[in-house]
Amino acid sequence: NAGVTQTPKFQVLKTGQSMTLQCAQDMNHNSMYWYRQDPGMGLRLIYYSASEGTTDKGEVPNGYNVSRLNKREFSLRLESAAPSQTSVYFCASSEAVDRGTAFFGQGTRLTVV
Amino acid sequence: AQKVTQAQTEISVVEKEDVTLDCVYETRDTTYYLFWYKQPPSGELVFLIRRNSFDEQNEISGRYSWNFQKSTSSFNFTITASQVVDSAVYFCALLGSNYQLIWGAGTKLIIKP
Repeated sequence: NAGVTQTPKFQVLKTGQSMTLQCAQDMNHNSMYWYRQDPGMGLRLIYYSASEGTTDKGEVPNGYNVSRLNKREFSLRLESAAPSQTSVYFCASSEAVDRGTAFFGQGTRLTVV
Repeated sequence: AQKVTQAQTEISVVEKEDVTLDCVYETRDTTYYLFWYKQPPSGELVFLIRRNSFDEQNEISGRYSWNFQKSTSSFNFTITASQVVDSAVYFCALLGSNYQLIWGAGTKLIIKP
């Protein structure tokens, strides 16, 4: 059972570069999420997609864009990376948006230099 | 505003001791969900429990138990007879009417052999 798969696991970017984090789930979940985790803090929601075709901003959306490509896939794009975006990024999915997040990917450790 | 407070930044106990992790939350919603997640040193996030605001019954799962008290806005987590494998960061989280999970800062639990 793959669950939630994120790629890449590690990435180093230079300031101003762009990149896309990929996420796919095989549990037929309707809702998907992108979080960031900074040292000493809990996760913070960047964007979420309640269902295919919809996306909404979370707590910290600035500097990011997302695409819900289909029911399985939800990508996160950094258009112009900044050092403040150095973090660990988690993708997650749940059956529905009102059930909270239950399944997480392994995380992507992103460093912006 | 919604908020989750985990006042214990780090707890260290000797194996086989019981340990309780505290979680206090704030919300104006009457319907909400509370969660606990475990993040072991490997970094993944593991879902432990989801509890809705209308169910104040205590939950027990093996060595784990949860005490939900609406009167004190607390959702505490107890590990009985702790083991080294329980060493991890534990997060409490709250899902309210805006469908966004609000996370506490986490409690790092160290179980010494």
